[in-house]
Amino acid sequence: GDSVTQTEGLVTLTEGLPVMLNCTYQTAYSTFLFWYVQHLNEAPKLLLKSSTDNKRTEHQGFHATLHKSSSSFHLQKSSAQLSDSALYYCALNTGGNNKLTFGQGTVLSVIP
Amino acid sequence: GPKVLQIPSHQIIDMGQMVTLNCDPVSNHLYFYWYKQILGQQMEFLVNFYNGKVMEKSKLFKDQFSVERPDGSYFTLKIQPTALEDSAVYFCASSRQGRQDTQYFGPGTRLLVL
Repeated sequence: GDSVTQTEGLVTLTEGLPVMLNCTYQTAYSTFLFWYVQHLNEAPKLLLKSSTDNKRTEHQGFHATLHKSSSSFHLQKSSAQLSDSALYYCALNTGGNNKLTFGQGTVLSVIP
Repeated sequence: GPKVLQIPSHQIIDMGQMVTLNCDPVSNHLYFYWYKQILGQQMEFLVNFYNGKVMEKSKLFKDQFSVERPDGSYFTLKIQPTALEDSAVYFCASSRQGRQDTQYFGPGTRLLVL
């Protein structure tokens, strides 16, 4: 079945350093990939989405490129900010019924 | 941006009781979803709902679960009777269209079954 694997657990970065959170997936179907961000006690919010191979998509300083050849959709940012501290989910959508398959989530902690 | 509300934010009940989780989706959305997240695990799809019908449900959507949205009011998830393994955070989501459209999530209801 479909699956998503993310950078495990907790990533701690110093403010100003680059961010890279890994996401790889497995599916036999056409792909639509999403990154959601969830701040403490808030709802998960859409950060990025893409279904186009090798096209960079950007939002709020973050970017990701879907690479179907390597089944990856890594999340990047050039310079981490304290406000980026949150839980990040990568999710895959392959079905006609819009079902999302989530990775296990990565906690990003940005420290001064 | 569009907001999905969930009521209550927390619920503690005894095993065997019934519980109803309420979701107020984005006003012009037509597709509704429930996801379950057990502590320390990933969010998993339970069910989606459109035009008064369940479109797809996962193996986690047990016979004790039911969903409905009577007359455009709350989209609800009812569990009757509850079991200890139902303890989790339940997230509601909605989207305007079906296939591969962005889902907007609520903040979740934290359910503890004792």
